[in-house]
Amino acid sequence: AQKITQTQPGMFVQEKEAVTLDCTYDTSDQSYGLFWYKQPSSGEMIFLIYQGSYDEQNATEGRYSLNFQKARKSANLVISASQLGDSAMYFCAMREGGVFSGGYNKLIFGAGTRLAVHP
Amino acid sequence: EAQVTQNPRYLITVTGKKLTVTCSQNMNHEYMSWYRQDPGLGLRQIYYSMNVEVTDKGDVPEGYKVSRKEKRNFPLILESPSPNQTSLYFCASSLGGDEQFFGPGTRLTVL
Repeated sequence: AQKITQTQPGMFVQEKEAVTLDCTYDTSDQSYGLFWYKQPSSGEMIFLIYQGSYDEQNATEGRYSLNFQKARKSANLVISASQLGDSAMYFCAMREGGVFSGGYNKLIFGAGTRLAVHP
Repeated sequence: EAQVTQNPRYLITVTGKKLTVTCSQNMNHEYMSWYRQDPGLGLRQIYYSMNVEVTDKGDVPEGYKVSRKEKRNFPLILESPSPNQTSLYFCASSLGGDEQFFGPGTRLTVL
């Protein structure tokens, strides 16, 4: 069963506008973590933001924020004031369980959303 | 500088010729993983290791081997590569929990 769903294969946004990248997840664990990674055309995986399942506040890191809606099992990434350098592939990922289940070592990734920022 | 290194970065090989992709981290992390990335599928875990001499299969382990003889190194071995193993490979390490640090990736082509 697919555990991370990113329904938007591609997105376009105008420079300086905000954009939301969707991510829904499926898990029966109470303890889990949600991540967003950016992959520019050069190929490296850049960590953007993390949200723990018990965190009550939405995570924020500079222009990135994670809109965490636990009941809906969604973890959307919001990028404010888009820049040309934000053009990249974005992956949502989930870590299930805790250290004793090996969960700390495994991320389950979505298929990704390719974001293009237009001037 | 804290980092995960992989070598080689690019490799073109032929079916059946054994190869090893090395991975090394300098952060004293216990957890290390290998992932492969294929279009439309995101990244999928191949193998992981929770510490020295402790390894286990991920979601797509067929055709791969790993070893963890030292904490810093986690090589990926393809004993008899096949064209369906053409992919982008990432090594990652973590202390546990909040973040996995990824290497720069190894682009492998098997002809």
